Amino acid sequence: QVQLVESGGGVVQPGGSLRLSCAASGFTFNTYAIHWVRQAPGKGLEWVTAIWSDGNEKHYAESVKDRFTISRDNSKNMVYLQMKSLTVEDTAVYFCAREGVDYQDGIGFYYEDYWGQGTLVIVSS
Amino acid sequence: DIQLTQSPSFLSASLGDRVSITCRASQGIDNFLAWYQQKPGKAPRLLIYAASTLQGGVPSRFSGSGSGTEFTLTINSLQPEDFATYYCQQLNTYPRAFGQGTKLEIK
Repeated sequence: QVQLVESGGGVVQPGGSLRLSCAASGFTFNTYAIHWVRQAPGKGLEWVTAIWSDGNEKHYAESVKDRFTISRDNSKNMVYLQMKSLTVEDTAVYFCAREGVDYQDGIGFYYEDYWGQGTLVIVSS
Repeated sequence: DIQLTQSPSFLSASLGDRVSITCRASQGIDNFLAWYQQKPGKAPRLLIYAASTLQGGVPSRFSGSGSGTEFTLTINSLQPEDFATYYCQQLNTYPRAFGQGTKLEIK
């Protein structure tokens, strides 16, 4: 069965760095894009970043651009989120999610169909 | 960037009720919209994509409609397990965006 497992969360001081990992299993990993979505305590979902299946295209939310870097290792079925210059506003549960696609009349409709359980990042002094 | 606005932000309803949640996009997104359900402490669950296509395993009391800038999630005959927070997401362009959420509570 499809599984995504995040790790690497913890407490970090403002200005610090952290690397999150997302371990995937149960599907052909190198054919799927992977996204990171975060949720601050008591708040809504915020899309963070995405990486295409071959790793050649990446997209970032404005709030994390130039501070966060997404990467993947298709030989290990892993996606990574390197975070630097962290601020208290980055405190959140970080979820990784698989992007699925359904073609209808030749048009691809995307969605995030499988999610991990999340890993908590706390930025605090 | 495209913004999504959900209404209402809070919704109180009773078992067996029919409820609707609206999601408005700041610009047209055709029907590149998905709906998710989230319960406390859990990851979101995909309900609907392409604005109206039900994800496998999702009960048929959930339905979606709309195109362009206005979309609706409807839940018929509310069940106890439906009380949760619902989010829309646009998948037309990057950066992807979620609505702010609608919390559905038991009256």
